[in-house]
Amino acid sequence: DGGITQSPKYLFRKEGQNVTLSCEQNLNHDAMYWYRQDPGQGLRLIYYSQIVNDFQKGDIAEGYSVSREKKESFPLTVTSAQKNPTAFYLCASSITATSNAEAFFGQGTRLTVV
Amino acid sequence: DAKTTQPPSMDCAEGRAANLPCNHSTISGNEYVYWYRQIHSQGPQYIIHGLKNNETNEMASLIITEDRKSSTLILPHATLRDTAVYYCIVRVKGVYAGGTSYGKLTFGQGTILTVHP
Repeated sequence: DGGITQSPKYLFRKEGQNVTLSCEQNLNHDAMYWYRQDPGQGLRLIYYSQIVNDFQKGDIAEGYSVSREKKESFPLTVTSAQKNPTAFYLCASSITATSNAEAFFGQGTRLTVV
Repeated sequence: DAKTTQPPSMDCAEGRAANLPCNHSTISGNEYVYWYRQIHSQGPQYIIHGLKNNETNEMASLIITEDRKSSTLILPHATLRDTAVYYCIVRVKGVYAGGTSYGKLTFGQGTILTVHP
């Protein structure tokens, strides 16, 4: 089946540790995105990538890093520099950066830092 | 970036039409209006999008005013499963490598729609 897969669904980490969230898509989409959602809030853009080997900061990139070495994969690392890492993280993709095609979302990873 | 304003919550009776309004008074001429919904603890689901003409698909209808400063999402026969947070989004147009990018979706607070029996 085609789609976006985020893993794991729930993730627990100790404070001060880096953690990497996985996002894989088999839709052959060029563009991929990472969003963060806090309780009762809308989604905020962390990073996005328009094409392989390229990515750009979103609105709240501090404390996060990404890579886009393969078209299918866009992992997000939450570093120890992120002051409030506990949140719901959502990955999305869209077919290309130059069309108005809709973005498809994964089911999210809920990160809890203790 | 064009911003959107939505009522924080709305109620609708099952089987009736749900009409969700959105204001986007600063929208630019080539920015699209998108609607997504999110059921608790799941990823957002795409519903519909449009530029200036009204649009309809199997899920909903989108009515955009002639001046494009507001729009309404219509769920013609709401069911209990339509209870969700509905986001109206203006898709930001950026510049990428000398071309045009429609990449970013900027989410607001959304409208919590509750469909009751």
